[in-house]
Amino acid sequence: GEDVEQSLFLSVREGDSSVINCTYTDSSSTYLYWYKQEPGAGLQLLTYIFSNMDMKQDQRLTVLLNKKDKHLSLRIADTQTGDSAIYFCAEGDDKIIFGKGTRLHILP
Amino acid sequence: NAGVTQTPKFQVLKTGQSMTLQCAQDMNHEYMSWYRQDPGMGLRLIHYSVGAGITDQGEVPNGYNVSRSTTEDFPLRLLSAAPSQTSVYFCASSYSRRLTYEQYFGPGTRLTVT
Repeated sequence: GEDVEQSLFLSVREGDSSVINCTYTDSSSTYLYWYKQEPGAGLQLLTYIFSNMDMKQDQRLTVLLNKKDKHLSLRIADTQTGDSAIYFCAEGDDKIIFGKGTRLHILP
Repeated sequence: NAGVTQTPKFQVLKTGQSMTLQCAQDMNHEYMSWYRQDPGMGLRLIHYSVGAGITDQGEVPNGYNVSRSTTEDFPLRLLSAAPSQTSVYFCASSYSRRLTYEQYFGPGTRLTVT
């Protein structure tokens, strides 16, 4: 079945770039997504990319998609303390499958 | 718009009890879904609906029932609660199945089964 894998933790110094990586198995998905979850809150869509794109940039966020390797990454430039959260990679159309989430910790 | 609302926010059940988690949206969204979130497991899809009268199973449907009699409401029923169903439950909606990237999530219901 479909599976989405991502590392569980990432620590980054404030002001540096954060790169969160994800691998997926279902190559038929039209969309791939990144969601953000802050403590005690629901998920918030951060950005998404169509499967026929290689890159998408949205202000401090850059999404890179390597379809051949089924690898998706999220880069956050100039990481701030407000970026501290859990980031979920997800794929799918009708059935959206989520990874287990990467907890981003910001070091002062 | 209130967005996606869920009630209750917290619930404690005894093993074997039944209950219904409520989810409502006022955005006229066709697509609604239920997820459960467990520590270290991410979100797992329980059931989803692409429109009123239509429901389908997700990854982990056992022990849960859903119905979609109106566009606005998508209740999740636990028929006989088990400790393994202790989790945080999220409801989500989007305009249509083709626009699932615009999913809006509710605030969640934290359920404990003793």
